[in-house]
Amino acid sequence: DTAVSQTPKYLVTQMGNDKSIKCEQNLGHDTMYWYKQDSKKFLKIMFSYNNKELIINETVPNRFSPKSPDKAHLNLHINSLELGDSAVYFCASSQDEAEAFFGQGTRLTVV
Amino acid sequence: AQSVTQLDSQVPVFEEAPVELRCNYSSSVSVYLFWYVQYPNQGLQLLLKYLSGSTLVESINGFEAEFNKSQTSFHLRKPSVHISDTAEYFCAVVSGNTGKLIFGQGTTLQVKP
Repeated sequence: DTAVSQTPKYLVTQMGNDKSIKCEQNLGHDTMYWYKQDSKKFLKIMFSYNNKELIINETVPNRFSPKSPDKAHLNLHINSLELGDSAVYFCASSQDEAEAFFGQGTRLTVV
Repeated sequence: AQSVTQLDSQVPVFEEAPVELRCNYSSSVSVYLFWYVQYPNQGLQLLLKYLSGSTLVESINGFEAEFNKSQTSFHLRKPSVHISDTAEYFCAVVSGNTGKLIFGQGTTLQVKP
């Protein structure tokens, strides 16, 4: 069973469109995250939710809106996509300050 | 603020040679340190972690890292690498009590036959 699964794996879309990426974890963890990996492979946190509550918002543009319907799910909705949003987006989960488990990533390409 | 610096962006090495990937961190508080590995077109997998206790930690596939508080380092080593170790390696530190990971810039390990 996949611990952290995100869909889709690949997403190609035009500028200006709105898209969503879904994430689910079956580990029973309280905390979930979204990370962005840019073209230089640098990883940076975007958001974190703990038990459905937003606890980290790292100055991400308002076009990005995370939503956590329950503690096992954290979705990422992106409005008005821009070329600079092209990246790999990783979902992760953890319990307390222990290791984070990552999904396989969603490669978003905005054309 | 906490930060992580990986001193080498690329490390080419021949198969069966030893390798060291360097990582330094800055933090004024106790740290939890991690090494993650990313194989091509895949997600990140935990390689090993230091939370407390013994400063030398090992992974199941022969990697080890040593937490050195005085030098604020957490270098990753393997005595003999395989072609299959070719990947991107990320050093990371947990920031505060949120579980947020701060990553280094990554080191590309390229193992040549």
